[in-house]
Amino acid sequence: DGGITQSPKYLFRKEGQNVTLSCEQNLNHDAMYWYRQDPGQGLRLIYYSQIVNDFQKGDIAEGYSVSREKKESFPLTVTSAQKNPTAFYLCASSGGSGGIGEQYFGPGTRLTVT
Amino acid sequence: AQKVTQAQTEISVVEKEDVTLDCVYETRDTTYYLFWYKQPPSGELVFLIRRNSFDEQNEISGRYSWNFQKSTSSFNFTITASQVVDSAVYFCALAANAGGTSYGKLTFGQGTILTVHP
Repeated sequence: DGGITQSPKYLFRKEGQNVTLSCEQNLNHDAMYWYRQDPGQGLRLIYYSQIVNDFQKGDIAEGYSVSREKKESFPLTVTSAQKNPTAFYLCASSGGSGGIGEQYFGPGTRLTVT
Repeated sequence: AQKVTQAQTEISVVEKEDVTLDCVYETRDTTYYLFWYKQPPSGELVFLIRRNSFDEQNEISGRYSWNFQKSTSSFNFTITASQVVDSAVYFCALAANAGGTSYGKLTFGQGTILTVHP
């Protein structure tokens, strides 16, 4: 089945540790995105990538890093510099479809840092 | 700057009632796209609809309908004869035409929590 997978679903880390969240898609989409969702709030864009080996900062990129070495994969690293990393992280992808296409989302990773 | 406002934080209805979720947006771009997503308790966002700024026709899909009015910068979503399975968080989102590319940054509203009671 075509779709986006994120692993793991739940992740626990100690403060001061870097952690990498996985995102893989088999939709053959060029663009991929990372969002953060905090309780009772909408989604905020962390990073996005329109093509392999290229990515741009979103609205809240500080304390995060990404790579895009393959079209299918867009991992997100939450570094120890991120002051408040506990949140729900969602990955999405979109393909060109004449104008701005809809984004398709993965199931998300809930990160808890203590 | 773009902004999406969903003034209703929570709505509670009884099954079979109709319910409308409001969405008001702000953008200076003349070409833009509006979206609605559903987020059930599982957490994954489910795409519902995409509408571009040049198409003001209302759309109906089963029990779902959308009313797009540029004059009031609104893109409201109505569920007719609501069901318990409609309980979820619903997000309205906006993307402007980023220089003609197909890859737009979405600006999300805060979401509306809809609870449908049996």
